[in-house]
Amino acid sequence: DSGVTQTPKHLITATGQRVTLRCSPRSGDLSVYWYQQSLDQGLQFLIQYYNGEERAKGNILERFSAQQFPDLHSELNLSSLELGDSALYFCASSVEGWAGTDTQYFGPGTRLTVL
Amino acid sequence: AQSVTQLGSHVSVSEGALVLLRCNYSSSVPPYLFWYVQYPNQGLQLLLKYTSAATLVKGINGFEAEFKKSETSFHLTKPSAHMSDAAEYFCAVSETGGATNKLIFGTGTLLAVQP
Repeated sequence: DSGVTQTPKHLITATGQRVTLRCSPRSGDLSVYWYQQSLDQGLQFLIQYYNGEERAKGNILERFSAQQFPDLHSELNLSSLELGDSALYFCASSVEGWAGTDTQYFGPGTRLTVL
Repeated sequence: AQSVTQLGSHVSVSEGALVLLRCNYSSSVPPYLFWYVQYPNQGLQLLLKYTSAATLVKGINGFEAEFKKSETSFHLTKPSAHMSDAAEYFCAVSETGGATNKLIFGTGTLLAVQP
């Protein structure tokens, strides 16, 4: 158990819908990252927050957005869903969020299926 | 930009045999390298990381990796495979610079262990 929690574990929805994925980081970690894992794209970085502020953006679609709240939990919002958005979405957390030596601890993921 | 390449998307070994999973990196600066393991239907678990303190890095579950600058490699090894090692293994580099340390992952190697 990494100490990172994600809810829900599974999500099945229809095209055009909007969903929210939730992540609680390990106690003491200030940085949260979101990654997407799909068969065709592999594991890709989406976005990072540090202590409530956006730190870095990767290959995140405009239909996707995220935020980190004062209690440090984070939410990833996916809207106007398409079939291709079906994937496993991971949240990770770390203490600092900038040092290369900083270890990222991953949650169990949310599996999103868009029908 | 930094990147990692994993040679061999599938590797099969017999129980008790040597495990060798290959990872080569590309980086213009000293890299910070990681190996993660993903068991079926689970999140990513850190096996080990290279942070320039020592070129031979020992990790959990008997795995180790050696950083070789001349070969730009960070291959993962285990002397004797166990059935429980069957999983997918990801090599990653921390893309530092600016205020982030996002991970850039390789495409993964699925390890099968035959009895």
